[in-house]
Amino acid sequence: GDSVTQMEGPVTLSEEAFLTINCTYTATGYPSLFWYVQYPGEGLQLLLKATKADDKGSNKGFEATYRKETTSFHLEKGSVQVSDSAVYFCALSDNAGGTSYGKLTFGQGTILTVHP
Amino acid sequence: SQTIHQWPATLVQPVGSPLSLECTVEGTSNPNLYWYRQAAGRGLQLLFYSVGIGQISSEVPQNLSASRPQDRQFILSSKKLLLSDSGFYLCAWSRQSNTEAFFGQGTRLTVV
Repeated sequence: GDSVTQMEGPVTLSEEAFLTINCTYTATGYPSLFWYVQYPGEGLQLLLKATKADDKGSNKGFEATYRKETTSFHLEKGSVQVSDSAVYFCALSDNAGGTSYGKLTFGQGTILTVHP
Repeated sequence: SQTIHQWPATLVQPVGSPLSLECTVEGTSNPNLYWYRQAAGRGLQLLFYSVGIGQISSEVPQNLSASRPQDRQFILSSKKLLLSDSGFYLCAWSRQSNTEAFFGQGTRLTVV
């Protein structure tokens, strides 16, 4: 079955540090890949997405590139802010057979804390 | 624009009591609807999804059930809650033609 593995947390950084959160996946079809962010006590918000190999998703200074050869979708940001403190989830939606119904398979989540 | 409403935000219920969580979507028609659960310290697990009124698919065996009485309404229920039902429940929707999902604010359920 499909699975998503992301780096264990928590990750603690100082403001303006470089961020990388690793994500690798296993899928039977041609998945779309996502990063979601969850701020304390809230639901999930879509941060960025990529729907095919070599696509780069970007939003709010975050980037991730769909690497089919390494089955990876690592999240990066050049300079984090305190307001980026949250839980980050990597997810995939598998289009195997042409019908995924938007069902998402999530990684375990990575807690990011950014200190001033 | 589309919005998704989920309530209540928090809920404390005794073991053995019933449960009803409601989710509604506005600004779109015929959405796919989903219930996810996030247990403490863990990722999200898909519980149910629905592609239309009265059509419910269960992803994991459990003490919960789901219903879709109207196009944009999705309800999560239980007749008798267990301690293990505690968690953060998230409703989500997506367009039929798109894999991207949009989430509600979640319900924190504590069974005591």
